[in-house]
Amino acid sequence: KAGVTQTPRYLIKTRGQQVTLSCSPISGHRSVSWYQQTPGQGLQFLFEYFSETQRNKGNFPGRFSGRQFSNSRSEMNVSTLELGDSALYLCASSDRLAGTGELFFGEGSRLTVL
Amino acid sequence: GESVGLHLPTLSVQEGDNSIINCAYSNSASDYFIWYKQESGKGPQFIIDIRSNMDKRQGQRVTVLLNKTVKHLSLQIAATQPGDSAVYFCAAPGGGSEKLVFGKGTKLTVNP
Repeated sequence: KAGVTQTPRYLIKTRGQQVTLSCSPISGHRSVSWYQQTPGQGLQFLFEYFSETQRNKGNFPGRFSGRQFSNSRSEMNVSTLELGDSALYLCASSDRLAGTGELFFGEGSRLTVL
Repeated sequence: GESVGLHLPTLSVQEGDNSIINCAYSNSASDYFIWYKQESGKGPQFIIDIRSNMDKRQGQRVTVLLNKTVKHLSLQIAATQPGDSAVYFCAAPGGGSEKLVFGKGTKLTVNP
């Protein structure tokens, strides 16, 4: 079974630009969560999608948005990039029917903002 | 909401020794705790979890202990190997179905 796939793996942007990151969950998983990981703040929850609906949202500004498609694939977008947005963005999928809460993470998209 | 914190940001052990990584949590109503391992350049990987109605759970070379009285959990790794070198996170539900709150992580270094 293929794992969680995130693209692109690495990208460099400049301040003010916008970026879109993509996540393909494990086949059959309907929940996709996004996390931002930085050395200073650790892993911080961005948002969770299930069946194309945002179910939870973390404490991030409106510049951070996401969506989920009918095939459970998800994208997140960051507009008007700031230097502080440089981070590893992790996507995680889960099978809510399993009820364990276990998240399966992708390898992340490393964003550098110059 | 829940907050979790790890006691030590780094831990260095000799190969073959046992490792203990500690974590504290704030919400006594949390009913589920998870340990993740993150190797360099990779996403976090599930190691083991424990429900709040348990005090101890064992996996392959790993044991998690939960002390609800002092809101503390620990991850014990037996006979630590170089491949165990990674950052270890404890996590607990922060509200919502799949939202997890993560601790800052302990970087484990195994010396040969």
